[in-house]
Amino acid sequence: GQQLNQSPQSMFIQEGEDVSMNCTSSSIFNTWLWYKQDPGEGPVLLIALYKAGELTSNGRLTAQFGITRKDSFLNISASIPSDVGIYFCAGLSTGNQFYFGTGTSLTVIP
Amino acid sequence: GAGVSQSPRYKVTKRGQDVALRCDPISGHVSLYWYRQALGQGPEFLTYFNYEAQQDKSGLPNDRFSAERPEGSISTLTIQRTEQRDSAMYRCASSRGGTDTQYFGPGTRLTVL
Repeated sequence: GQQLNQSPQSMFIQEGEDVSMNCTSSSIFNTWLWYKQDPGEGPVLLIALYKAGELTSNGRLTAQFGITRKDSFLNISASIPSDVGIYFCAGLSTGNQFYFGTGTSLTVIP
Repeated sequence: GAGVSQSPRYKVTKRGQDVALRCDPISGHVSLYWYRQALGQGPEFLTYFNYEAQQDKSGLPNDRFSAERPEGSISTLTIQRTEQRDSAMYRCASSRGGTDTQYFGPGTRLTVL
């Protein structure tokens, strides 16, 4: 099956710092998505990317769909305590299946 | 409804028993997805439906797992002869279709003793 690898696996940062995480795949995807999951909750969509090279922002979040269609990154600027959670990337294959990454756990220290 | 709902929220069963997990999608949503999520991992795709038609079941681990959505709304994921390795959070998501945003339910935590 498809493998999406996220890095780093976990991050501990000070409030106010910027965060960068990325996701790579062995296969090409047509759509890249970034989700955030809080403890005990389901994933919530943050940003969706539909075209190679696309750069999209949502408030303090910015994500890019890699040119090769095999990678994507997510940046969070000026982190705040409520940014804490696990961030998952997901890719939509040509078969319309969503594959999720391994997750990046973010801890923001006030 | 206002969001995706799943029932039961928690299910504890003995090995060998059958379980049925229910998903009630957002009203009017065409697509319904089932995922399994192990602790500390991302959701793992199991199967999905457009309306009542099961489009892809390649993610189902084996033939003990099956899913249906007979009227194109509520879906049931059934696991027969449960095994301990089936213990996980089972999540359902629905969307308007295609690449549209998937909205996830709260999940059913299955524990097989």
